[in-house]
Amino acid sequence: EPEVTQTPSHQVTQMGQEVILRCVPISNHLYFYWYRQILGQKVEFLVSFYNNEISEKSEIFDDQFSVERPDGSNFTLKIRSTKLEDSAMYFCASRPGQGPLHFGNGTRLTVT
Amino acid sequence: QKEVEQNSGPLSVPEGAIASLNCTYSDRGSQSFFWYRQYSGKSPELIMFIYSNGDKEDGRFTAQLNKASQYVSLLIRDSQPSDSATYLCAVNRRVTGGGNKLTFGTGTQLKVEL
Repeated sequence: EPEVTQTPSHQVTQMGQEVILRCVPISNHLYFYWYRQILGQKVEFLVSFYNNEISEKSEIFDDQFSVERPDGSNFTLKIRSTKLEDSAMYFCASRPGQGPLHFGNGTRLTVT
Repeated sequence: QKEVEQNSGPLSVPEGAIASLNCTYSDRGSQSFFWYRQYSGKSPELIMFIYSNGDKEDGRFTAQLNKASQYVSLLIRDSQPSDSATYLCAVNRRVTGGGNKLTFGTGTQLKVEL
């Protein structure tokens, strides 16, 4: 069964550094998402991406964040200057339409 | 008012009992509703989804939707210790730009005790 893949599984970075989290959504899906989950907290929506542009973003998704779908298969989340509070599990997800989201296994980001 | 509300629990049920998990949502324009299970440190995995008022059954799981009351629930029959996890309610609505947004509740922790 096709699945969403995320790399790396764990990323450690120093405060102020840039990180890029990578995702390969399921190939025939049209909608792409990033969510994050701070340890012990809820799964929070960051951004949705459809038709090669952002369709909605949350208050969390400020100017430090950006997303790209550079080549028709990868979907990346960039954090320009990481802060301690960016430490979380980041989930990529995709869906073909209004159906259920399919989640990747997540990237655990640790900012020191 | 939170977009999606769930009791955080923990909800403890004995093995073999029925676990009942509840969720309310605020946006009447919400169109589809999902239950995900999340084990600690893992990604959410889909259990069920429901679009229409009423009940939908899949094995030991039954999802119930009442759009007038803005309420969705998940029943787990014959609960097993392996069902112990956090159950996330998620609500979908269309957004401008043609996309869809899925909003999660905080999750209810379920503990099935031997």
